Amino acid sequence: QKEVEQNSGPLSVPEGAIASLNCTYSDRGSQSFFWYRQYSGKSPELIMFIYSNGDKEDGRFTAQLNKASQYVSLLIRDSQPSDSATYLCAVELTGGGNKLTFGTGTQLKVEL
Amino acid sequence: GAVVSQHPSRVICKSGTSVKIECRSLDFQATTMFWYRQFPKQSLMLMATSNEGSKATYEQGVEKDKFLINHASLTLSTLTVTSAHPEDSSFYICSAVGPNTGELFFGEGSRLTVL
Repeated sequence: QKEVEQNSGPLSVPEGAIASLNCTYSDRGSQSFFWYRQYSGKSPELIMFIYSNGDKEDGRFTAQLNKASQYVSLLIRDSQPSDSATYLCAVELTGGGNKLTFGTGTQLKVEL
Repeated sequence: GAVVSQHPSRVICKSGTSVKIECRSLDFQATTMFWYRQFPKQSLMLMATSNEGSKATYEQGVEKDKFLINHASLTLSTLTVTSAHPEDSSFYICSAVGPNTGELFFGEGSRLTVL
């Protein structure tokens, strides 16, 4: 079982819709969770991080964490074509040290 | 925010040669940096943790003699791919732990092509 799993997609949504990206992780002791956006040929950029169960909102983005289910998600409201990218879920596994384990990423396509 | 810069952004080399990639934290000191490798359509795979003033810690399966890491100062870590082969062609990305929140800041990445 992979430590961090994501559906590779592509996930296609129309412009203005809500995009829902999901991620599961295997290490129950993980404490920190991150969502990164990566455009083709570029390095990842941090969108959000979440440490506590529940929802965390930042503009059009909402991260949701459920530690009991070992599940973290990212919602993007009012999706724009510029949101088209690969979204990487990253988990700081037990032991921390800022070492992140990344999922394979979900490709999001926002269509006009 | 904190800035991490990588150089070169692209490099093409012949098989058997060595290539050095630099990772610099421009406006903060980074005692810890990380090196990742990303193959096309795959995720970032952590190669090693670079610690200023001490030996790097390599992840399982990463050859330390092939991927030499030096972190001689608080703002610079280098990755040298020795005796490069075509299978080493990849996107190499570094990150540094930021000064306050512990957030990771990523460099722009370096695309290595070995002919």
